[in-house]
Amino acid sequence: EADIYQTPRYLVIGTGKKITLECSQTMGHDKMYWYQQDPGMELHLIHYSYGVNSTEKGDLSSESTVSRIRTEHFPLTLESARPSHTSQYLCASSDYRATSNGYTFGSGTRLTVV
Amino acid sequence: GEDVEQSLFLSVREGDSSVINCTYTDSSSTYLYWYKQEPGAGLQLLTYIFSNMDMKQDQRLTVLLNKKDKHLSLRIADTQTGDSAIYFCAESIDDYKLSFGAGTTVTVRA
Repeated sequence: EADIYQTPRYLVIGTGKKITLECSQTMGHDKMYWYQQDPGMELHLIHYSYGVNSTEKGDLSSESTVSRIRTEHFPLTLESARPSHTSQYLCASSDYRATSNGYTFGSGTRLTVV
Repeated sequence: GEDVEQSLFLSVREGDSSVINCTYTDSSSTYLYWYKQEPGAGLQLLTYIFSNMDMKQDQRLTVLLNKKDKHLSLRIADTQTGDSAIYFCAESIDDYKLSFGAGTTVTVRA
């Protein structure tokens, strides 16, 4: 049973619109992550957070921004969506340090920008 | 480096064993993981191995780790149609980050 929730599951939106992808977890995890997933490609880390008020850019440059005002919530925002932003976005969380638990992933948001 | 490489596709007959291979680059990785992604879903942790182990078995799953060659494999015995999915190999980069491969799409045919 998922303890990390992403909404919406699917989103089709026009170019230039502002969008926010929601991610919430109920496990009290300090670390949260956003990955971008394209078919046949590695998962690319675009943002992560060590805890409240901490946000860091990941390995893949992204025009999106994130915030971490509460432990359980890590939303991702695109101020002006473009077709190049079409992708699947996966949110994940983890314990304080790398353990056998690894990451817990949400079900993802599939974004299509037309 | 943080590159994790996997072959992209594997086709296997139902009832046979599947072997998915992965190579990684960070020799200091503490944990190595296998995740499974079914259509329309996020990644689910399937199994993991601690870096000081050579092998781990969990029911139908066997993980083999060759630290010298930085090679990880996942064997699924008696592959079933429900095993059709994308399988991701991942290594722990530091205490907080994982690096993932591109995933191997496993197709189970009758």
